[in-house]
Amino acid sequence: NAGVTQTPKFQVLKTGQSMTLQCAQDMNHNSMYWYRQDPGMGLRLIYYSASEGTTDKGEVPNGYNVSRLNKREFSLRLESAAPSQTSVYFCASSLDKDEKLFFGSGTQLSVL
Amino acid sequence: QKEVEQNSGPLSVPEGAIASLNCTYSDRVSQSFFWYRQYSGKSPELIMSIYSNGDKEDGRFTAQLNKASQYVSLLIRDSQPSDSATYLCAVNIAGGGADGLTFGKGTHLIIQP
Repeated sequence: NAGVTQTPKFQVLKTGQSMTLQCAQDMNHNSMYWYRQDPGMGLRLIYYSASEGTTDKGEVPNGYNVSRLNKREFSLRLESAAPSQTSVYFCASSLDKDEKLFFGSGTQLSVL
Repeated sequence: QKEVEQNSGPLSVPEGAIASLNCTYSDRVSQSFFWYRQYSGKSPELIMSIYSNGDKEDGRFTAQLNKASQYVSLLIRDSQPSDSATYLCAVNIAGGGADGLTFGKGTHLIIQP
């Protein structure tokens, strides 16, 4: 039982490049989330999916897109990376929206 | 605007003492409250959840909730060096169409051997 798995663990991009962060959970959870964590800013919600087939913006959605591919998988895409998107990204899931979250191990992203 | 406030610390506590971590929140209708522990370079892990006023105990951890004062706390008894971490308070709003859990910025706890 792996829990929440996200890939990659580390990534370096040049400004303007695109990439997709992958996330999968095997806990049969309905809700999935993408957060970013920056020093002094705490965890901030980028996008979430309350259930399969739905996605909604969080606190800081600009510059990102998401896809809830199926119940297990929720991806985050940066279409044109900017240095301001340098951060640690966490995927999380919960049985239902706003219940206790289980986090993946994180992705350290640097945009040069 | 939902807000969750924590003292960033560092909070330094001698080994074996009680560590007391505090959190206040802005929204009176918040219904669910969580404490997460995050070691440096790692992901947050759930320590405690609490949903009703009063105390909830789990081993060395006690969560305390006072909805009237919009205040939730975490007590760690018999503190150990392995408890040194950042503790995140998280709050949600029941039935809200918005934004998942709102996290505080965390309190950095240091347990001194």
